This record gives sequence, C-alpha cells and structure tokens, in this order.
Amino acid sequence: DGGITQSPKYLFRKEGQNVTLSCEQNLNHDAMYWYRQDPGQGLRLIYYSQIVNDFQKGDIAEGYSVSREKKESFPLTVTSAQKNPTAFYLCASSIAGAPPYNEQFFGPGTRLTVL
Amino acid sequence: RKEVEQDPGPFNVPEGATVAFNCTYSNSASQSFFWYRQDCRKEPKLLMSVYSSGNEDGRFTAQLNRASQYISLLIRDSKLSDSATYLCVVNGMDSSYKLIFGSGTRLLVRP
Repeated sequence: DGGITQSPKYLFRKEGQNVTLSCEQNLNHDAMYWYRQDPGQGLRLIYYSQIVNDFQKGDIAEGYSVSREKKESFPLTVTSAQKNPTAFYLCASSIAGAPPYNEQFFGPGTRLTVL
Repeated sequence: RKEVEQDPGPFNVPEGATVAFNCTYSNSASQSFFWYRQDCRKEPKLLMSVYSSGNEDGRFTAQLNRASQYISLLIRDSKLSDSATYLCVVNGMDSSYKLIFGSGTRLLVRP
C-alpha cells in the first residue's frame, strides 16, 4: 500500500530535550512538508523540501530542524529552542511543488506533549 | 487580513439538508484551490480540487469565483458521516509551492 507513515503516534518529551519525528513516504513524491496544528487553529508550515538535499524554512521554522537525505524520508527535529512545542505535527507530500501537481497528502500525525 | 478566511461555524444541520461554505482568499494570483476534510484528531484528507469551471463529485460541488476571490463548497443530502471540519486551501502569496490552510469550518449533521 502506498502512503505516508509517521512515528510515533504519541510522543512525550521533557523540557530541554530534543526529539525527532519520523516521516516516510513510498509514493515517489518529490516534495515533502511539515506542519504544526494547535487546537482550533489552521495548519502552519514549518519546513518544506522540493528535492533531496534541499529544504526551505516555512512560516514558523524557529526551534525546528530537518534533513532530506533520501527522497522517501523527511525527519523533523524539535529542539529545546522551541518554546511551545506541544502540538499536533503533520507531515505531507506531493508529486511536485508546482501546480497542478501540488495536491498534498498527509500522514496520520504525531501528537507531541512536553511534560 | 488573513490570506485565507473561513467562517468557523459550527453549521448544525439535519440529515438530508443542503449546506454551503464559502472561503475568501487574498492573493489574486493564486492558482491552486482545494477543499480538505479533517475529522477530530485526525489528519486532513483531500476532498476535492477546485477548478475554474467548477467541479462536482457526487454530493459535493466546488465553485471558484476569481473576480470576488472566493471558493465555495456545497454539500447536498447531508449524511451523519459528513460531520467534520472542512479546510479551504489556497497556494501562498510568496510561492506556488506553499499551501495556505484556512482554520476550517465545522459541520455537525444531526439525525
């Protein structure tokens, strides 16, 4: 089955710790994205990557880092510099970044809670 | 002004009703328009792309009005399973690669 997987589904972190969220896709999509969603709010873009070994900051990149060493993988690290990391993190991918191939498909998400 | 604006609702309708949502966007150069559906505590799922000529998929109809910069979603014969939050999505001002998600319109369909 083709799709996007994210792990873990739930993650608990102590303040001051870095954590890495996994995102893998087997759709052969070039573009991948990370979003954050807070309760009652829309999705906000953290980082995106249009091609392997290249990525760009989104609207709220501070306190986050990413890598894109393989086409199918786009892990997100939430660092201790992120002041309010508790949120629902969503990974998405699309065939390409430009229309008409920019329909994005989402993984099931990771809920991160800072204790 | 927000790049994408939606009425948060909730829209509370009986089964079988017809309900419509509108969404306004600020970037007149936008080229991509979508409606996504998001169930509680789940990921968004693509409902339909919105084309200039409008498009229909079963009970769902999407329309684009470029002159007034809004898109609409019409749901006919509402089902209980249509209860969800509907997200309006438009490509961003500074890049066609970035999609801007509205905060969503919540729909509750009652028996």
